[in-house]
Amino acid sequence: DAKTTQPPSMDCAEGRAANLPCNHSTISGNEYVYWYRQIHSQGPQYIIHGLKNNETNEMASLIITEDRKSSTLILPHATLRDTAVYYCIVRVGNSGGSNYKLTFGKGTLLTVNP
Amino acid sequence: EAGVVQSPRYKIIEKKQPVAFWCNPISGHNTLYWYRQNLGQGPELLIRYENEEAVDDSQLPKDRFSAERLKGVDSTLKIQPAELGDSAVYLCASSLGQGVETQYFGPGTRLLVL
Repeated sequence: DAKTTQPPSMDCAEGRAANLPCNHSTISGNEYVYWYRQIHSQGPQYIIHGLKNNETNEMASLIITEDRKSSTLILPHATLRDTAVYYCIVRVGNSGGSNYKLTFGKGTLLTVNP
Repeated sequence: EAGVVQSPRYKIIEKKQPVAFWCNPISGHNTLYWYRQNLGQGPELLIRYENEEAVDDSQLPKDRFSAERLKGVDSTLKIQPAELGDSAVYLCASSLGQGVETQYFGPGTRLLVL
């Protein structure tokens, strides 16, 4: 799976949008971008994933650049409960062979301040 | 819908003692994963089950670790004997399988080996 690069930490004011960047310059054409987050003392939580089109769900939006070499996770109105480590992961979308594996890096610690 | 259930949440043991962790996946999920997360790191896959079959255990330290998933539902991960370096959070995740591979994680078991 392609390697990702994320800033180690970011701060955001409560109520403002949090924009978390991720670089994945070696991504392959069949690899999806997944985002998970991990709140302190909890297991990772799935947020969103996408291939090349922008995606939105009730938690967040995912913006993928046209060349797919980078993406941004957007939390439109951050709350204190969004303080967590956010992981950007790229992997092949189908379940064949070893493609199921989620390879976690160190992620970005997002701190939402009051 | 109930999420992935794990027990115990915390365990403190002395080195050389055995320990076991239990996981019940989301109902209907055929694929089950065990991950280990060391302090300050992202989770790392130990073993993956498709129903009752362990299809990838390449990262499981087989000299002291074992796992089973009888009847293809809940699973147990065992360490015998435990070593100081086994202190970590052990996470269980499940996915629907059959091409739908978004993984959902349990809260984890925090193990401290003294």
